[in-house]
Amino acid sequence: GQNIDQPTEMTATEGAIVQINCTYQTSGFNGLFWYQQHAGEAPTFLSYNVLDGLEEKGRFSSFLSRSKGYSYLLLKELQMKDSASYLCAVRDLTSGTYKYIFGTGTRLKVLA
Amino acid sequence: GAGVSQTPSNKVTEKGKYVELRCDPISGHTALYWYRQSLGQGPEFLIYFQGTGAADDSGLPNDRFFAVRPEGSVSTLKIQRTERGDSAVYLCASSLTVGGSSYEQYFGPGTRLTVT
Repeated sequence: GQNIDQPTEMTATEGAIVQINCTYQTSGFNGLFWYQQHAGEAPTFLSYNVLDGLEEKGRFSSFLSRSKGYSYLLLKELQMKDSASYLCAVRDLTSGTYKYIFGTGTRLKVLA
Repeated sequence: GAGVSQTPSNKVTEKGKYVELRCDPISGHTALYWYRQSLGQGPEFLIYFQGTGAADDSGLPNDRFFAVRPEGSVSTLKIQRTERGDSAVYLCASSLTVGGSSYEQYFGPGTRLTVT
């Protein structure tokens, strides 16, 4: 089957660095995505990894290890507006079609 | 340009009634996805379309749920004989295509369905 695990909640201080981990199990891996979702709003795309390694985009970076079924999202220089849920999602081809499987999300609280 | 739009933004209905939820994807996007999101959970896949056809409807919970996309653009999610457990936010997302480098999904604001 398919399974995605990420911590339910994290707290960090403004200006700090936080790492949100995600582990997944799937036989048809075809890419890993991170989305940001503010309360009451739609998810917005942050990053995409399909090969091993680190992808950097401004204050946000995402890492992937396919052999370990592991990814993390790194947020630097945290700002209050970064308080949101961060969703890890795997694009899965097990059924022969492109299906996106989302984790439950990690709710990040940034404190002043 | 215009993003993904969904109507209505909120829908309250009585148990047993029929509802239709509409999604207008970004113009030119061939792939369209429907998800359901309950409080504190991630989006749960329901169905996706590539063009007019349903490429994968394995996420639809039962035969009360049905979705169409007759002209390859607007899509409607239809729920018959609604139950209280159907209450959730229904999200629609579109992308240029599926797979490969056209990977980014753009989400609509969602329809909050409440079944009383």
